[in-house]
Amino acid sequence: DQQVKQNSPSLSVQEGRISILNCDYTNSMFDYFLWYKKYPAEGPTFLISISSIKDKNEDGRFTVFLNKSAKHLSLHIVPSQPGDSAVYFCAAPLGSNYKLTFGKGTLLTVNP
Amino acid sequence: GAGVSQTPSNKVTEKGKYVELRCDPISGHTALYWYRQSLGQGPEFLIYFQGTGAADDSGLPNDRFFAVRPEGSVSTLKIQRTERGDSAVYLCASSLSSAAGSPLHFGNGTRLTVT
Repeated sequence: DQQVKQNSPSLSVQEGRISILNCDYTNSMFDYFLWYKKYPAEGPTFLISISSIKDKNEDGRFTVFLNKSAKHLSLHIVPSQPGDSAVYFCAAPLGSNYKLTFGKGTLLTVNP
Repeated sequence: GAGVSQTPSNKVTEKGKYVELRCDPISGHTALYWYRQSLGQGPEFLIYFQGTGAADDSGLPNDRFFAVRPEGSVSTLKIQRTERGDSAVYLCASSLSSAAGSPLHFGNGTRLTVT
């Protein structure tokens, strides 16, 4: 049972445009969410996070939005750059030991 | 500084053999995690260490899998009687603590192939 769902396996955008990556979750106990970015043959790297007490968190070109009533979050990248091409994972910790549950990921391709 | 180091980067083994995968976390990180990523999936939690003890091993799929962290630093994931379904990328991660504000730092993983 996938508690964190990323329903788009892939997304392709033009350089300079906005990329929007979506994530849905089913467990209302989640109170913190993270996005990780993964290049081929490398481990995931932390990108940005959001606490459930907020509805938006911004860090440079990256903004995460959280809609708790819809159990939905999204990652916006603007402007998108070719170096942003990677797999993006949405994740949420469950329990006090920060055990992360990951979505299946979305492959973002930014075309020059 | 150095990140999380995992060795080997690739391991090919025959069905039924025993393998050990090593993880060297970032110095000073007390929390250490093992995850497994199968093709087309996100990483799945296997086991969590706080210091030397396995605080949560609920993700280990069966008793063929075992992990240790004897001195609270380097960890080894051990798989006995490997099966083809064990083929995956095994990721190790560490963090300063297990609190929500302390993101995980992942290694590049060990790609295990069981033939």
